[in-house]
Amino acid sequence: KQEVTQIPAALSVPEGENLVLNCSFTDSAIYNLQWFRQDPGKGLTSLLLIQSSQREQTSGRLNASLDKSSGRSTLYIAASQPGDSATYLCAVTNTGNQFYFGTGTSLTVIP
Amino acid sequence: DVKVTQSSRYLVKRTGEKVFLECVQDMDHENMFWYRQDPGLGLRLIYFSYDVKMKEKGDIPEGYSVSREKKERFSLILESASTNQTSMYLCASSLDGGVGDTQYFGPGTRLTVL
Repeated sequence: KQEVTQIPAALSVPEGENLVLNCSFTDSAIYNLQWFRQDPGKGLTSLLLIQSSQREQTSGRLNASLDKSSGRSTLYIAASQPGDSATYLCAVTNTGNQFYFGTGTSLTVIP
Repeated sequence: DVKVTQSSRYLVKRTGEKVFLECVQDMDHENMFWYRQDPGLGLRLIYFSYDVKMKEKGDIPEGYSVSREKKERFSLILESASTNQTSMYLCASSLDGGVGDTQYFGPGTRLTVL
């Protein structure tokens, strides 16, 4: 069974800093990997999706990379802002239907 | 924009009650999912459905059932609620499970079973 781990569990950074969130998974035969953002008490919002054949995706200040062979993905956030404070989750699927989620990294950006 | 709605944001029920959680999506998506989210455990898949009247068990189906009579609606049923089913329940939908397909989530229902 696929297992997804996110490190660190929590992170605090001053505003303006660049930061990296990590995600690792045990089964490299993935279909795709997604990064989500979750605000307290809310649902998840998709940030980036990387297909298994891709190495990275970018959206604004966010860049996600994928190294399937080593079972790792990183989410890079440039020039962090207080509005980036949220929990970030990664999820992988081997089939397109069943997704496995990490427990998330709780990010606080200090003004 | 895809919209996924859930019938209640907060729900309080008593042990043994039958509980219905409703989810509706408005983008003609084939796939729909029910997760529960607990601190330290992350999101765990309860059931998913890839078509009307079709359902597949996820990782933790025990104590739950589902119904999908119409494409846009996916219901989660707790036949006899127990305190260990107190959790945040999240519904999601996706187009058809293609490699570039993303999941869209509803706002969640926080269920408390007393």
